[in-house]
Amino acid sequence: GQQVMQIPQYQHVQEGEDFTTYCNSSTTLSNIQWYKQRPGGHPVFLIQLVKSGEVKKQKRLTFQFGEAKKNSSLHITATQTTDVGTYFCAGPSGGGADGLTFGKGTHLIIQP
Amino acid sequence: NAGVTQTPKFRVLKTGQSMTLLCAQDMNHEYMYWYRQDPGMGLRLIHYSVGEGTTAKGEVPDGYNVSRLKKQNFLLGLESAAPSQTSVYFCASSYYGGATFSNYGYTFGSGTRLTVV
Repeated sequence: GQQVMQIPQYQHVQEGEDFTTYCNSSTTLSNIQWYKQRPGGHPVFLIQLVKSGEVKKQKRLTFQFGEAKKNSSLHITATQTTDVGTYFCAGPSGGGADGLTFGKGTHLIIQP
Repeated sequence: NAGVTQTPKFRVLKTGQSMTLLCAQDMNHEYMYWYRQDPGMGLRLIHYSVGEGTTAKGEVPDGYNVSRLKKQNFLLGLESAAPSQTSVYFCASSYYGGATFSNYGYTFGSGTRLTVV
């Protein structure tokens, strides 16, 4: 089935530094979604990317979908303490299963 | 709107006991899902449903059963709990399936933390 690899697993940054997490798929994806999970919380939908090479921005967050639709990235500019959490990418499960396959997530830890 | 509500929030079971986790959504979503989350493993799909009366297996279905008798409810059952089923369980719902373009994504419940001793 579909596999979605995400790196790094952990990222420590100083407050104000930038942060990037990368997502790679073994197959071409029709779309990719990003979620954020705060410590002790539940995943919350951030965005969906559909088009090859697509770039979308949400304030300090920039999401990119690769030209081959096999990779994606999330970049946060000038991190703040409110950005702490785990960021997941997810792609269609494929193989007849109508769900999402999630990457293992990147834990963002911010040091003030 | 309440969104997706999961009950209970916490539970401790003894090995071999059974229990049912309840998920209820008030958004009229067709699709509902059960995921488990374990440290270092991310979210893994257990079972899902594409509409009332339907269920399908996900990535890790063994040891679990589900039912979707009403559109708004999706039940996850553990017939004979094992320590390997200690996890945080999340229910989610959506208008569309994973391969469909959507601006809404999945809406998750707050989770059930289950410990099997």
